[in-house]
Amino acid sequence: GESVGLHLPTLSVQEGDNSIINCAYSNSASDYFIWYKQESGKGPQFIIDIRSNMDKRQGQRVTVLLNKTVKHLSLQIAATQPGDSAVYFCAETGRQGGKLIFGQGTELSVKP
Amino acid sequence: GAGVSQSPSNKVTEKGKDVELRCDPISGHTALYWYRQSLGQGLEFLIYFQGNSAPDKSGLPSDRFSAERTGGSVSTLTIQRTQQEDSAVYLCASSGQRSNQPQHFGDGTRLSIL
Repeated sequence: GESVGLHLPTLSVQEGDNSIINCAYSNSASDYFIWYKQESGKGPQFIIDIRSNMDKRQGQRVTVLLNKTVKHLSLQIAATQPGDSAVYFCAETGRQGGKLIFGQGTELSVKP
Repeated sequence: GAGVSQSPSNKVTEKGKDVELRCDPISGHTALYWYRQSLGQGLEFLIYFQGNSAPDKSGLPSDRFSAERTGGSVSTLTIQRTQQEDSAVYLCASSGQRSNQPQHFGDGTRLSIL
């Protein structure tokens, strides 16, 4: 069935380093992808999105890369800060929108 | 505030009781979604409302779960005859009318069934 998964369940980085969080998806019909950040006791917070007609999109300190050939999505965080510590989820949906299919999440821990 | 608002933030109830969870979406958002997040897990889709269209109920786990959206705005998720496995965080999200717009989430209702 459809699934979106993450390669690494936990990631620990030093403050100031760059972080890369990976995600694999299995539905080749997926058209829209989103990264969310979730802090303890809070709902997922939108970080950045990308459509299937793009392979890269940049935001403030974050970059999302999409490789449709291998169905892989990654989130890069530049100069990681302690405030970036959270669980990060990738999610995908089809062309018509609607429900998101979420991966299991990666916990990012930033060491000062 | 301008975000998605959910109430209550926490709910503890006894097995077998009915519960109602409320969601106020972002003003102007026509799409509203309910998800469930079990401890340490990802989010599981439950139900989706878009404008006046029939809701997508494909994620509801049993007929004990139902949801409605009144006046195209506020939504209520109802769980009847609660079971212990219903314990989870129930998250609501909303998005704009155009397809492929990001869903914005509330902070959820943490439901505990004793």
